[in-house]
Amino acid sequence: DAGITQSPRHKVTETGTPVTLRCHQTENHRYMYWYRQDPGHGLRLIHYSYGVKDTDKGEVSDGYSVSRSKTEDFLLTLESATSSQTSVYFCAISEKWTSASSGANVLTFGAGSRLTVL
Amino acid sequence: LAKTTQPISMDSYEGQEVNITCSHNNIATNDYITWYQQFPSQGPRFIIQGYKTKVTNEVASLFIPADRKSSTLSLPRVSLSDTAVYYCLVGSGTYKYIFGTGTRLKVLA
Repeated sequence: DAGITQSPRHKVTETGTPVTLRCHQTENHRYMYWYRQDPGHGLRLIHYSYGVKDTDKGEVSDGYSVSRSKTEDFLLTLESATSSQTSVYFCAISEKWTSASSGANVLTFGAGSRLTVL
Repeated sequence: LAKTTQPISMDSYEGQEVNITCSHNNIATNDYITWYQQFPSQGPRFIIQGYKTKVTNEVASLFIPADRKSSTLSLPRVSLSDTAVYYCLVGSGTYKYIFGTGTRLKVLA
């Protein structure tokens, strides 16, 4: 168990307000990710981190910022939320998976944070 | 980053074998192929991973041809509980994982 906790799990906010989602992991994984998923759509990468204070943009980073001041926490901030950012947000970590036939990293996801922007 | 292409949806009946194929024509030499399953209101979860040939675990099998430009996830004797979205993901060294649209599998009684 990768020990991933997302908070809050549900949030309703108004357009123009700032929102911060938190992802917390307990096993010192180096790589952490934020994805969003909209109804009927797949997962889209927002930002990811490859270490403390090391982050990079994903596919849909506009309107989002991230911070990682310590290994266990990866924060996603919407500086001024818009209705188009209503979505389910998933945090993930990347960890090594080793078997007899493979040995690359796999993603383990948190339970998700459902954000509604009115 | 290898782009993947999968069928948008598939229907099957309980007890049948289901094969979902993923196309990844520009896969890199060091890329692995990983499949995930996602139920409604949950995050995706890992099913199986492979590099070449065939991999089998207690849940599924993964077939990868020699040219590695495609892969096929095989689910033996599906049940209603296998109704989910299945994603093929290709990547490794960059750690920037981009998902495709996935395949929505519906298992019918």
